[in-house]
Amino acid sequence: EPEVTQTPSHQVTQMGQEVILRCVPISNHLYFYWYRQILGQKVEFLVSFYNNEISEKSEIFDDQFSVERPDGSNFTLKIRSTKLEDSAMYFCASSVSRALETQYFGPGTRLLVL
Amino acid sequence: ELKVEQNPLFLSMQEGKNYTIYCNYSTTSDRLYWYRQDPGKSLESLFVLLSNGAVKQEGRLMASLDTKARLSTLHITAAVHDLSATYFCAVQGGSEKLVFGKGTKLTVNP
Repeated sequence: EPEVTQTPSHQVTQMGQEVILRCVPISNHLYFYWYRQILGQKVEFLVSFYNNEISEKSEIFDDQFSVERPDGSNFTLKIRSTKLEDSAMYFCASSVSRALETQYFGPGTRLLVL
Repeated sequence: ELKVEQNPLFLSMQEGKNYTIYCNYSTTSDRLYWYRQDPGKSLESLFVLLSNGAVKQEGRLMASLDTKARLSTLHITAAVHDLSATYFCAVQGGSEKLVFGKGTKLTVNP
């Protein structure tokens, strides 16, 4: 069964460093998302992406964040200058079509900022 | 702003017992989802509820939706240990993003 994959599974970085989290969505899906979950808290929406553009973003998704689809398969989240409070599990998700379709989540990348 | 409230946040129950998790949301929604999350793992889609009165069942779990009351329930029948996990409801309301509740951590004891 097709699934969303994410790399790395864990990432430890120093405050102020840049990190890139990578995702490979399900191949026939057109909508891509990033969510994050701070330890013990609820899952929060960051951004949605379609047709090489951001379609929606949350207040959390400020200028330190960016997303890109560099090729036909990968979808990346870049955090430019990491802060301690960026430590979280980051989930990528994808769906077949706009909005009203189930979003399938990847296994997540656990980011720890020291 | 769409808000999603779940209760209880923690639920400890005995095997064989029944219980219900509640999910309230604040504005009109397009879809309501229930996801399961095991510790350190990703979110597994359980149910998608589209319309008022929708009911879906899978094994010992049954989900329902009352759009007029803005309420969904996840009913657990004759709980078994394997159901221990955190259950999230998530609502889509007029946009692409999912708004999640805080989750209900379910522990089923032998």
